Amino acid sequence: GQQLNQSPQSMFIQEGEDVSMNCTSSSIFNTWLWYKQEPGEGPVLLIALYKAGELTSNGRLTAQFGITRKDSFLNISASIPSDVGIYFCAGAYNFNKFYFGSGTKLNVKP
Amino acid sequence: DAGVTQSPTHLIKTRGQQVTLRCSPKSGHDTVSWYQQALGQGPQFIFQYYEEEERQRGNFPDRFSGHQFPNYSSELNVNALLLGDSALYLCASSLGQGAQDTQYFGPGTRLTVL
Repeated sequence: GQQLNQSPQSMFIQEGEDVSMNCTSSSIFNTWLWYKQEPGEGPVLLIALYKAGELTSNGRLTAQFGITRKDSFLNISASIPSDVGIYFCAGAYNFNKFYFGSGTKLNVKP
Repeated sequence: DAGVTQSPTHLIKTRGQQVTLRCSPKSGHDTVSWYQQALGQGPQFIFQYYEEEERQRGNFPDRFSGHQFPNYSSELNVNALLLGDSALYLCASSLGQGAQDTQYFGPGTRLTVL
């Protein structure tokens, strides 16, 4: 299957700091998604990207679809305690089979 | 409006047994996908059901099978359980076969195989 490398694996930051995480693929994708998962729940979609070079925001979250179509980035500005969770990237060449990264665990210290 | 629901929440089985997990999609959704999420990993796609047929399949053995009912709910069956099948099993629903980019996930069923 496709290999998605997501980094960093975990982050410990202070409230108010900005956060960056990224995902790289061995293959070209035409869709990138970013999810957040909290304990005891399924992943929740944060941002969807459909075009190389696309930059999309959702509140304090901004994600970009890399120009090579093999990577994507997620930034969180001015982090708050409720940002705590595991963030997953997911990519697909078509809309039917998405491949997930192994996640970035975010810890925010108040 | 109920979201995606899954049952049971937790399940403990022993090696060699068989298990059935259930999923009810979000109201208005007709497509169900199943994922396996091992501890510390991202979800892995098992298969997708649309119009009561398996439409896409990930890299999982035939021990993993499923079914979709006329009301769009779905079951995941795993036969001859192995220790490595211990994981969180997630169900996701969407409207239309090619709409996994807008799918909603359920809370999952935690399966432990002893």
